[in-house]
Amino acid sequence: DQQVKQNSPSLSVQEGRISILNCDYTNSMFDYFLWYKKYPAEGPTFLISISSIKDKNEDGRFTVFLNKSAKHLSLHIVPSQPGDSAVYFCAASSPGNEKLTFGTGTRLTIIP
Amino acid sequence: NAGVTQTPKFQVLKTGQSMTLQCAQDMNHEYMSWYRQDPGMGLRLIHYSVGAGITDQGEVPNGYNVSRSTTEDFPLRLLSAAPSQTSVYFCASSWDRAGNSPLPFGNGTRLTVT
Repeated sequence: DQQVKQNSPSLSVQEGRISILNCDYTNSMFDYFLWYKKYPAEGPTFLISISSIKDKNEDGRFTVFLNKSAKHLSLHIVPSQPGDSAVYFCAASSPGNEKLTFGTGTRLTIIP
Repeated sequence: NAGVTQTPKFQVLKTGQSMTLQCAQDMNHEYMSWYRQDPGMGLRLIHYSVGAGITDQGEVPNGYNVSRSTTEDFPLRLLSAAPSQTSVYFCASSWDRAGNSPLPFGNGTRLTVT
């Protein structure tokens, strides 16, 4: 049972345009959401997070939006840069739970 | 400050062999965990520890053992390797429980079991 889903395995975006990565979840107990970025042969690195008490969090070119009623979050990257080409994972956790539940990842390719 | 260090980077085992994947952190983090990454499956939690002497099972613990004798080290043991354990393994640590803070990950160990 995949509680966190990233339905797009891959996405290609022109350099300078906006990249939008989507993530859906089924567990209504999730209250903290994170995005990780992963380059080949490296571990995932934390990008941005959002608590369920917010609907938006921004950090430079990266913004995460949370729609609790739709159980949906999205990561916006603007403007997209070639160095953003990587696999992006969304993850979620619930109160008192010791683990993060990860989605399957979306491979983002930025076209110069 | 090296962060989270995993060794080895690559390993090939034959079915039935045993080995230990090493994970060390120098950030004095209480929480440490092991994940495996498989194609189309995301990252799945194997085992975790909330402090020295305390370990617990994650989502996919079968075939793996862990121990936490020090704050710094959290080794993952495969007692009898199986082809289904071919994967990339990531160790992570945190000052807080996993659900409350981002996890710094190591760079991974790519394991192939033939």
